[in-house]
Amino acid sequence: EVQLAESGGGLIQPGGSLRLSCTASAFTVSTNYMTWVRQSPGKGLEWVSTIYSGGNTYYADSVKGRFTISRDNSKNTLSLQMNSLRAEDTAIYYCTRGYCTDGSCYSAYWGQGTQVTVSS
Amino acid sequence: DIQLTQSPSFLSASVGDRVTITCRASQGVSSYLAWYQQKPGKAPKLLIYAASTLQSGVPSRFSGSGSGTEFTLTISSLQPEDFATYYCQQVNSYAITFGQGTRLEIK
Repeated sequence: EVQLAESGGGLIQPGGSLRLSCTASAFTVSTNYMTWVRQSPGKGLEWVSTIYSGGNTYYADSVKGRFTISRDNSKNTLSLQMNSLRAEDTAIYYCTRGYCTDGSCYSAYWGQGTQVTVSS
Repeated sequence: DIQLTQSPSFLSASVGDRVTITCRASQGVSSYLAWYQQKPGKAPKLLIYAASTLQSGVPSRFSGSGSGTEFTLTISSLQPEDFATYYCQQVNSYAITFGQGTRLEIK
């Protein structure tokens, strides 16, 4: 059974850094389309970043230059390094695995999310 | 970035009702659109992808249609477990975007 488990969230001061991890089961992260999606308290969903199986990465403008998506093939994990954190980055962060068809990919599998709170 | 606008933002309906949610894109996204269902405290669940293809295991009372800039999600006969928030998502561009959500509540 495909499972995704995020970890690494917590309370961090503005300007600080945090690294989120997503541990995958029953599939190989490096050969799949993976994304991070976040949800601020009481708000909607916001795409954060994508990494394709080929290694190409993409970021939302709101996090570009501050966040870095990566994979650790030996641990079969997806990571999100978050630097220069701001209050508006406060959210639940979900990692997702894509189902790809006809040239596009959709988030078919989601983790349970990890809470990131940026506050002094 | 492509903006997605859902209507209505809030919908009150009864069990057994037929409901339709609309998602309009600020520019054409072909059929690269998905619908997700989210219940409180839970991760979103993929319902429909490629505008009209039902994800495996999703009940057939859910259906999707549309292409280009206008899309609809229809639930043919509401069940108690369908009361949730629904989001559309476009994947036509690398900058993925979601609609603001439609909250479906029991009348």
